[in-house]
Amino acid sequence: GENVEQHPSTLSVQEGDSAVIKCTYSDSASNYFPWYKQELGKRPQLIIDIRSNVGEKKDQRIAVTLNKTAKHFSLHITETQPEDSAVYFCAATMSGGSYIPTFGRGTSLIVHP
Amino acid sequence: DADVTQTPRNRITKTGKRIMLECSQTKGHDRMYWYRQDPGLGLRLIYYSFDVKDINKGEISDGYSVSRQAQAKFSLSLESAIPNQTALYFCATSDPSLGGGHEQFFGPGTRLTVL
Repeated sequence: GENVEQHPSTLSVQEGDSAVIKCTYSDSASNYFPWYKQELGKRPQLIIDIRSNVGEKKDQRIAVTLNKTAKHFSLHITETQPEDSAVYFCAATMSGGSYIPTFGRGTSLIVHP
Repeated sequence: DADVTQTPRNRITKTGKRIMLECSQTKGHDRMYWYRQDPGLGLRLIYYSFDVKDINKGEISDGYSVSRQAQAKFSLSLESAIPNQTALYFCATSDPSLGGGHEQFFGPGTRLTVL
């Protein structure tokens, strides 16, 4: 089955800095890669996703990049703000199959004011 | 707004007790899931159901059972709770007809403590 590795497990940055979270996956058949944000005490929510036919996707201060050859994808947050503090989960999913995501273990991002 | 709800939100129980966690949704989605979240271990799939007559084991189904009573209801049971089942449990739904069908819509979670 699919295996998703996520690093780092904890990331501490100063407000205004950039943050990068990296994930690798094992199954080359995976072709959809979502990122979920879980604020303290809240439920995970989808913030951005990327499909395997796209190399990069941006939405305001967040972007995701995908390298299919290397089987890794990354979340980039620019100009971090305290409200970006949360746990971020990456996942890998295979379209055309069960659509069941395999999640990474999560990254706790702390943005210091 | 259409939503996913879970009851109870918090539960403390003792080893050996039977526990049921309930999930309801008003999103009209056919697919429902139960996940377990432990610090440092991410979200791990316990069971999933693609319709009322469909039940599938996930990565960590041992010690758990489920019931899909209706399209909108999916319950998770711990027949004989043990302390290492202490965790945060999330129910989720998805709809394959929505924008590629991949997004998971999570409930608010149930924090279970087994003493």
